[in-house]
Amino acid sequence: KQEVTQIPAALSVPEGENLVLNCSFTDSAIYNLQWFRQDPGKGLTSLLLIQSSQREQTSGRLNASLDKSSGRSTLYIAASQPGDSATYLCAGGGRVTGGGNKLTFGTGTQLKVEL
Amino acid sequence: DGGITQSPKYLFRKEGQNVTLSCEQNLNHDAMYWYRQDPGQGLRLIYYSQIVNDFQKGDIAEGYSVSREKKESFPLTVTSAQKNPTAFYLCASSMDRRWGGETQYFGPGTRLLVL
Repeated sequence: KQEVTQIPAALSVPEGENLVLNCSFTDSAIYNLQWFRQDPGKGLTSLLLIQSSQREQTSGRLNASLDKSSGRSTLYIAASQPGDSATYLCAGGGRVTGGGNKLTFGTGTQLKVEL
Repeated sequence: DGGITQSPKYLFRKEGQNVTLSCEQNLNHDAMYWYRQDPGQGLRLIYYSQIVNDFQKGDIAEGYSVSREKKESFPLTVTSAQKNPTAFYLCASSMDRRWGGETQYFGPGTRLLVL
């Protein structure tokens, strides 16, 4: 059974700092790895999806990497801004019978970027 | 506007009452999912559906029921058998291509409270 862990649970950084969020998973037969952002009381917004055959994906100031052999993914945020303050969730995707994509979520890292 | 809508935003349930949460998408996605989010536990999969008139149990299906009569709609009923229903419920959908995992897109959520 896939288990996903995110450390730290909370992180506070000054504006402009580059930062790394960590995600680890137990089952290396992961199908894909997704990073989401969640603002308080809101739904999830997809940030990046890395297929199992890929090593990284980039979108703007965000870069996500995937290392299946070590069971780790990182989300790198460059030049952080107060608007980046949110909870960041990673989720490991596994195939299910019939072709579905079942996500197993970590508990998230709550990020606060201070002025 | 394309997207996923959930209603209501807040829902109150009395003891012994069944309540239904609505989820509608106009993204023409095949797959739809229901998750439950509790503080400190991350998201857990309740039910998912890959095609109309077909659905499968997720990790915590007990006390819940779903239907998928239309591609656009995937309502979730919280039955009286669910003894701890207070949570934030999130609906998601994805274009479920058999040859690759796809990003899941989330609705804004429904917060269910027990009176």
